[in-house]
Amino acid sequence: DSGVTQTPKHLITATGQRVTLRCSPRSGDLSVYWYQQSLDQGLQFLIQYYNGEERAKGNILERFSAQQFPDLHSELNLSSLELGDSALYFCASSGVNEQFFGPGTRLTVL
Amino acid sequence: LAKTTQPISMDSYEGQEVNITCSHNNIATNDYITWYQQFPSQGPRFIIQGYKTKVTNEVASLFIPADRKSSTLSLPRVSLSDTAVYYCLVGPLDMLTFGGGTRLMVKP
Repeated sequence: DSGVTQTPKHLITATGQRVTLRCSPRSGDLSVYWYQQSLDQGLQFLIQYYNGEERAKGNILERFSAQQFPDLHSELNLSSLELGDSALYFCASSGVNEQFFGPGTRLTVL
Repeated sequence: LAKTTQPISMDSYEGQEVNITCSHNNIATNDYITWYQQFPSQGPRFIIQGYKTKVTNEVASLFIPADRKSSTLSLPRVSLSDTAVYYCLVGPLDMLTFGGGTRLMVKP
């Protein structure tokens, strides 16, 4: 158990819909990262937040947005969903020298 | 961020030592080299990290030559449960970028 929690574990929705994925970092970690992993693909970095502020942006689509709240939990919002958005979405929080990953949310867009 | 190149896949047998090499020619002075392991449908897990020379922990060893343009992850006596994807990451500690990884298949 990494100490990072993600909800929900699974999400099935239809094209055009909007969903919100939630992440709670390890206690004391200020940084939260979001990654997308499509089937048999590598991890694509989406965005990083540090203590409520956006710190780095990767290959995040304009239809996607994220935020980190004062209690440090983070949400990833995915809108106008397309079939290609089906993937595993991981959240990670960072300690001194490593990232701790959550169990992921599997999103299926039908 | 430094670009990394590692083999797409490797096969090995139980009990053998496995060495996975990663090239990172444009590594910067403040970059660290970090390896993660990922099992199917799970988040990656930190294995080992180093800056130069050799680092060893209970799981693996990491060899980094003086020029730091490559690194080698060494897994001693692999077992079937070591079948996974191994990622080499190079960058500042808080700015890691995952590449394609090396898919290691351990056979009985």
